[in-house]
Amino acid sequence: GAGVSQTPSNKVTEKGKYVELRCDPISGHTALYWYRQSLGQGPEFLIYFQGTGAADDSGLPNDRFFAVRPEGSVSTLKIQRTERGDSAVYLCASSWGLAGAADTQYFGPGTRLTVL
Amino acid sequence: KQEVTQIPAALSVPEGENLVLNCSFTDSAIYNLQWFRQDPGKGLTSLLLIQSSQREQTSGRLNASLDKSSGRSTLYIAASQPGDSATYLCAVIRLTGGGNKLTFGTGTQLKVEL
Repeated sequence: GAGVSQTPSNKVTEKGKYVELRCDPISGHTALYWYRQSLGQGPEFLIYFQGTGAADDSGLPNDRFFAVRPEGSVSTLKIQRTERGDSAVYLCASSWGLAGAADTQYFGPGTRLTVL
Repeated sequence: KQEVTQIPAALSVPEGENLVLNCSFTDSAIYNLQWFRQDPGKGLTSLLLIQSSQREQTSGRLNASLDKSSGRSTLYIAASQPGDSATYLCAVIRLTGGGNKLTFGTGTQLKVEL
């Protein structure tokens, strides 16, 4: 497809379990972002990749959260020892990564994570 | 720390009405500002992006303005339709130090009634 895709669309897990959320960006986009949106709130930044490297991971809430993008395309957000407070919609976005230009981010449909 | 506020939080209008959504931000050192639409259970769709050097952008019935000095942006929707019902989010990108991450407001939930 032409857009950003995310899998799974919904994930229900139990407290303490490990989860992986996947993002497939638009082909050719070098920049990839993860955001988290809690109910009734706007999305909050988690991490930003430029190519394979995490250029800014200042939004990751703690060391239970980790993300990778080994080949500069698909990215996986990993959450260890999930807590009920991790329940949210996790959004992925990608862009061309153009420096010094208006660089629109295109968002995927999100993964709704529910921790019981 | 950049804070983005959107007023009102919710809005219900009859079809055909023109309306204005407001967005304010605390740090004027922004690179650009973007308006998004979010439908229930869906991701975000970009509506308009205004670069910091611009004052407004238009797309169809939508017009977004930006006043950096006062830290404000407005989204004007002309002749509203029921299909415009959604949550509208504004987001800013910091000019320095913040990479390209967006800082979002909490959104305005719009309902356009027949």
